Amino acid sequence: NAGVMQNPRHLVRRRGQEARLRCSPMKGHSHVYWYRQLPEEGLKFMVYLQKENIIDESGMPKERFSAEFPKEGPSILRIQQVVRGDSAAYFCASSPVGGPVAGELFFGEGSRLTVL
Amino acid sequence: GDSVTQMEGPVTLSEEAFLTINCTYTATGYPSLFWYVQYPGEGLQLLLKATKADDKGSNKGFEATYRKETTSFHLEKGSVQVSDSAVYFCALSTGANSKLTFGKGITLSVRP
Repeated sequence: NAGVMQNPRHLVRRRGQEARLRCSPMKGHSHVYWYRQLPEEGLKFMVYLQKENIIDESGMPKERFSAEFPKEGPSILRIQQVVRGDSAAYFCASSPVGGPVAGELFFGEGSRLTVL
Repeated sequence: GDSVTQMEGPVTLSEEAFLTINCTYTATGYPSLFWYVQYPGEGLQLLLKATKADDKGSNKGFEATYRKETTSFHLEKGSVQVSDSAVYFCALSTGANSKLTFGKGITLSVRP
């Protein structure tokens, strides 16, 4: 079975451009989480989505960041007008229909965004 | 709010050495506790977990015991191997949405 697939693995953007990160959950999974890892820090929760619904976005910055998980296709994390402070590794995780079993999530390899 | 504190790294050990990685937490309610591992070039994967006080999680020779009295979940292995070289994250989860709160992670390097 394919695991959680993220792309691109590496993305370079100039300040002011847009970044789009994609995540395809594991087969049979309908819950998606996005986490951000800044240099020298642990992973920080950003947003939790189910198909067509945002369940919890308490970790998302108020401006420039948005996420979606459409009925068809991957989940998208979109960052508009990127700044250097957005440079980080962005990890997607998924869990099965019915929610995580005792909190276990399945993670992708991450997308590393560099803002010049 | 919830938080997880891990010991500072990196850690370098010789093969067959004993490993302890400290983890303490602060949480409201009764969290589930996890250790995730990230091997080079891969995503995080669950190593072990414990869902209530005094539970012991174990996998691949690693163990951790949920200590409510000391709010700790230290990771141990009796004899490390080169293949254990990775980044180790301690994490907790509370609430219905199963959001994970992670520590900063610690890099373990094992020399042959």
